[in-house]
Amino acid sequence: GAGVSQSPSNKVTEKGKDVELRCDPISGHTALYWYRQSLGQGLEFLIYFQGNSAPDKSGLPSDRFSAERTGGSVSTLTIQRTQQEDSAVYLCASSRGGIEKLFFGSGTQLSVL
Amino acid sequence: AQKITQTQPGMFVQEKEAVTLDCTYDTSDQSYGLFWYKQPSSGEMIFLIYQGSYDEQNATEGRYSLNFQKARKSANLVISASQLGDSAMYFCAMREGDSRSGGGADGLTFGKGTHLIIQP
Repeated sequence: GAGVSQSPSNKVTEKGKDVELRCDPISGHTALYWYRQSLGQGLEFLIYFQGNSAPDKSGLPSDRFSAERTGGSVSTLTIQRTQQEDSAVYLCASSRGGIEKLFFGSGTQLSVL
Repeated sequence: AQKITQTQPGMFVQEKEAVTLDCTYDTSDQSYGLFWYKQPSSGEMIFLIYQGSYDEQNATEGRYSLNFQKARKSANLVISASQLGDSAMYFCAMREGDSRSGGGADGLTFGKGTHLIIQP
């Protein structure tokens, strides 16, 4: 596809379960970002991947959150032992790295019951 | 301290009027970039306009222009001749470091947004 693809679009889970969110960036984009948007709030930076460099994890809220990016392309954000406060829209974005414009996916709406 | 401040949680504007959405920022870097994104109800983030800290001219993209006042650390978005389809959340964001060289490793910092509603 031409844009950033995220799956699933919606995820409902029970408190304490683990979830995996997937992001497929635009082909050729070396930079990939994860953001979290809680209801009515702005975007909160989580993690940033640039090429083969070590990711910038400075925004991850706790050690229950982790992310990996395989082969410099697809990324998976994993949340272990989900809590109700993890409920939010998780947005992925990619860019050509060093270029200012980020392209966002449609997000994954995560609801933790 | 917040790095990006958007003081207008919501705005109602009559169709065809011009709109100014406020954004102030806080950084000690000399090199930085400022962005505006639109988020309609569908949830996607749509890039609107970019202003580099060294750019001398205000950025313009169609009906969008960025009123960049560096000394005041202000980067207001101006939408001319508003349309019903402009109704959305608007986010101001900043990347610190020299984005021309690939810096700004921690991505964009976003404000809390302004909910713009265009009325017919």
